[in-house]
Amino acid sequence: QQKVQQSPESLIVPEGGMASLNCTSSDRNVDYFWWYRQHSGKSPKMLMSIFSNGEKEEGRFTVHLNKASLHTSLHIRDSQPSDSALYLCAASMGGSALGRLHFGAGTQLIVIP
Amino acid sequence: GGIITQTPKFLIGQEGQKLTLKCQQNFNHDTMYWYRQDSGKGLRLIYYSITENDLQKGDLSEGYDASREKKSSFSLTVTSAQKNEMAVFLCASSRGVEQYFGPGTRLTVL
Repeated sequence: QQKVQQSPESLIVPEGGMASLNCTSSDRNVDYFWWYRQHSGKSPKMLMSIFSNGEKEEGRFTVHLNKASLHTSLHIRDSQPSDSALYLCAASMGGSALGRLHFGAGTQLIVIP
Repeated sequence: GGIITQTPKFLIGQEGQKLTLKCQQNFNHDTMYWYRQDSGKGLRLIYYSITENDLQKGDLSEGYDASREKKSSFSLTVTSAQKNEMAVFLCASSRGVEQYFGPGTRLTVL
């Protein structure tokens, strides 16, 4: 069973709109979450990470984490066509931020001009 | 800064063939990873290595071998290519939290 689940599978938003992506783990050993972005034909790059309960904002991007429910979400406000990409959620487990990550299947975001 | 290079960029093989993919990094990172990505999907971990000569199996290690003979390089071997297989193999490295990815090797098996 996959340890990290993402929803929705795909999301279409108009330019200037808000995109909301979700990620949950089924494993209570999860401690840290990361969000990676992968443009078509390119390799994934880390977008944001979150380790504590609450919210973290970087420009147009906001990440929320609820450790009790093992749920994280990524919100992109004022979405731009250049935000169109595959967004991958990843989690580490077992009390360490180092070592392997478990990736979800991704959410394909399309921003329509 | 640093860079991860993967060779070859494209690899075409025949069914049953043994195929080797190579990865080099100059970040001086301790940990290196091999992932498989099927079209538009997430990443599945094949092998990782936390130091030279170390190997750890991921979720998808069956059908693959790996080798970490130097800190800077990590090789992956497909032991017997499967007909109609198509995927991108991504190499990554990390010292701490963030993993840095190479450009990938795109495999097609005829």
